Amino acid sequence: DAGVIQSPRHEVTEMGQEVTLRCKPISGHNSLFWYRQTMMRGLELLIYFNNNVPIDDSGMPEDRFSAKMPNASFSTLKIQPSEPRDSAVYFCASSASLEKNQPQHFGDGTRLSIL
Amino acid sequence: GNSVTQMEGPVTLSEEAFLTINCTYTATGYPSLFWYVQYPGEGLQLLLKATKADDKGSNKGFEATYRKETTSFHLEKGSVQVSDSAVYFCALRAGANSKLTFGKGITLSVRP
Repeated sequence: DAGVIQSPRHEVTEMGQEVTLRCKPISGHNSLFWYRQTMMRGLELLIYFNNNVPIDDSGMPEDRFSAKMPNASFSTLKIQPSEPRDSAVYFCASSASLEKNQPQHFGDGTRLSIL
Repeated sequence: GNSVTQMEGPVTLSEEAFLTINCTYTATGYPSLFWYVQYPGEGLQLLLKATKADDKGSNKGFEATYRKETTSFHLEKGSVQVSDSAVYFCALRAGANSKLTFGKGITLSVRP
């Protein structure tokens, strides 16, 4: 079975450029999560959706960050304009629902470097 | 609020040693508990879970028992292998519309 699919796997770009990260959740999963991981701050939840609707975006660091989920099989995380401090590994995860006994399944991440 | 506390790392063990990684939690309501593992350069993978008191989750030789009286979910393995070298995260989910609350993770290095 296909897991959570993220693209690109690696992205290197110059500061000021727009960056778009993409995620395809596991088919049939209704909840989707975006995380950021750095050495300094560890794993941070940025935003999550349920049935394509954002539930909690309190983890989004600034207005430069935005996320959308136009349908059940696709989500994007956009950074505009990007800055060097946005360099991190960004993970997408999905779960069948927001029920507490449902685990989240993670993608392999996008390693983002902003020069 | 919800929180997960993991023991400080890193942990270095010799192959075939016994492993214990401590995890305690605070939660509003009755949480489900999880252990995730992250191998170098990869995403987090679910290792095991337990959804009610006294449940034991197990996978790949790892075990953890949901202890409500001590609010703990310690991870154990009887004989570690070099391939177990990774970062281990304890996590919980509690309540409606619940998100995962993670501990800070601990790095395990197993030497031959």
